[in-house]
Amino acid sequence: NAGVTQTPKFRVLKTGQSMTLLCAQDMNHEYMYWYRQDPGMGLRLIHYSVGEGTTAKGEVPDGYNVSRLKKQNFLLGLESAAPSQTSVYFCASSYGVRLNTEAFFGQGTRLTVV
Amino acid sequence: GESVGLHLPTLSVQEGDNSIINCAYSNSASDYFIWYKQESGKGPQFIIDIRSNMDKRQGQRVTVLLNKTVKHLSLQIAATQPGDSAVYFCAETPAGGTSYGKLTFGQGTILTVHP
Repeated sequence: NAGVTQTPKFRVLKTGQSMTLLCAQDMNHEYMYWYRQDPGMGLRLIHYSVGEGTTAKGEVPDGYNVSRLKKQNFLLGLESAAPSQTSVYFCASSYGVRLNTEAFFGQGTRLTVV
Repeated sequence: GESVGLHLPTLSVQEGDNSIINCAYSNSASDYFIWYKQESGKGPQFIIDIRSNMDKRQGQRVTVLLNKTVKHLSLQIAATQPGDSAVYFCAETPAGGTSYGKLTFGQGTILTVHP
């Protein structure tokens, strides 16, 4: 199984541009999450989804939108990129409500906004 | 706000030594704690977890200790190997049945194992 796959792996954007990060999981997980990781820091939750068609805000949702039209996919959108959004983005999925042994992370997307 | 933090940002050990990585948390309502390992260029990988009603849990070569009195968590790695070199994060979730991945992560400790 592929597990959790994120595309793209790297991207450079100009300030004001938009883009969508795609997360796909093949484990039939109900719960999916988008995190960002900044240098020297742990992951911070941006948005999450508890099932197809549902999304909710996490700790740092401003400047991002998400959609979960299909159970296996969770999209993270940046409508107007800002340098402060330069970060590494991680997607994760889990079967249960708690991130524990059931949770799997993608490889990450390194985004640079210039 | 509530936070989870680490005492030491870096730790260097010799191969075969035991490693101890520490973590302090501030949320007394924390219910569940997790240690993650993150290798360069990869996403976090679950190592071991512990619930607040326990004070010790052992895995393969790893042990997590929880001291609720002083809000302290530690990860012990026995016979550390070069493959253990990575950044280690502690994370916590609050009490309740639906944490929805609202993990609060610590800063991270860089573990370097010298052969």
